[in-house]
Amino acid sequence: GESVGLHLPTLSVQEGDNSIINCAYSNSASDYFIWYKQESGKGPQFIIDIRSNMDKRQGQRVTVLLNKTVKHLSLQIAATQPGDSAVYFCAEKAAGTASKLTFGTGTRLQVTL
Amino acid sequence: DTGVSQNPRHKITKRGQNVTFRCDPISEHNRLYWYRQTLGQGPEFLTYFQNEAQLEKSRLLSDRFSAERPKGSFSTLEIQRTEQGDSAMYLCASSLAPGGGSIAFFGQGTRLTVV
Repeated sequence: GESVGLHLPTLSVQEGDNSIINCAYSNSASDYFIWYKQESGKGPQFIIDIRSNMDKRQGQRVTVLLNKTVKHLSLQIAATQPGDSAVYFCAEKAAGTASKLTFGTGTRLQVTL
Repeated sequence: DTGVSQNPRHKITKRGQNVTFRCDPISEHNRLYWYRQTLGQGPEFLTYFQNEAQLEKSRLLSDRFSAERPKGSFSTLEIQRTEQGDSAMYLCASSLAPGGGSIAFFGQGTRLTVV
């Protein structure tokens, strides 16, 4: 199958370790952020979202942290599993726009056994 | 399967030909988006519909591209006189508005190769 993200930054983690994927966003007027996971040959899959009035949100095995001061977003994955291997994108939505998302460049996560 | 459905999954066409892709969104979703993704990049916004109205188009959407959503349900994206630079994954997403930050769910995409 095709490969998503041939020249993306890559994060390698061992199975069972925690992963932290970082994203710098560009628009200080963005009010909503989403992390997507994309496996090769597939469309982006929603992981977790956060609004700008929050600085942390937790899901199942995932946590998103938002630092609006430095326009930084991170995704933490606990106890990383081989099935977590994929390209991860952060996306932002500007306030006042109708859910149009602007995506970052993505990070490839490789989980080693 | 109640997710976003796109057809075809793959399309190979000769330069200069016209192609049309179809997207069936999640049934109750009133917003539908088209994005384009090239290898190594994140998806780039092309256009979006609220119900049948096309409310925004990116400057990426040249006059060779046209999108419709005639009954506010499925949508089609047509590319006329295809060029090799049109080769990309075309992604459709849908969401339920209002809500400002409502989650956009993506389909599996249509991979276009122009030869």
